[in-house]
Amino acid sequence: NAGVTQTPKFQVLKTGQSMTLQCAQDMNHEYMSWYRQDPGMGLRLIHYSVGAGITDQGEVPNGYNVSRSTTEDFPLRLLSAAPSQTSVYFCAAGTAAETQYFGPGTRLLVL
Amino acid sequence: RKEVEQDPGPFNVPEGATVAFNCTYSNSASQSFFWYRQDCRKEPKLLMSVYSSGNEDGRFTAQLNRASQYISLLIRDSKLSDSATYLCVVLGAGSYQLTFGKGTKLSVIP
Repeated sequence: NAGVTQTPKFQVLKTGQSMTLQCAQDMNHEYMSWYRQDPGMGLRLIHYSVGAGITDQGEVPNGYNVSRSTTEDFPLRLLSAAPSQTSVYFCAAGTAAETQYFGPGTRLLVL
Repeated sequence: RKEVEQDPGPFNVPEGATVAFNCTYSNSASQSFFWYRQDCRKEPKLLMSVYSSGNEDGRFTAQLNRASQYISLLIRDSKLSDSATYLCVVLGAGSYQLTFGKGTKLSVIP
């Protein structure tokens, strides 16, 4: 089993561009989430989902959209990239919020 | 007051030493507590859950003090491979959201 996979590993965007960060899990876990990690800030929750068709906002949702059409996939969309969205993005999956397995991360640079 | 606070370190300790980290949390209604480990440029990984009765996993011991709202992690007989950032993590009551501390960096020196 691959666990949680994220693509791409690295991405450079120009301000105003949109893109989708992909996240997939093969553990059949209901709970999935997206975090961003910035130097000196720790991990902050962007959006999460407790099952297919159900999503909710975390601490820093502005500028991001999510959807959960299947148990396996939880893509994160940047609508109009801004330099403030330069960060490392982690997707996680688990049976509940308590036990989460993180993907390897996507490093995003917005110029 | 920040929700979860940790001393950022770095803690530089020799191999074989015992080192302890503390973490404080602000929400007294928090229900679950964890320590995660994150290696440089890698994803966080769950190290252990923290219970009021305390729990031990090999060289690692975690304690929770609800009255004082702090969590501790003790590492005995430090190994070079213990070098990492240790993240204190809290789940609020009735919440689906984990709150992460900024982490404490540990470097174990030969």
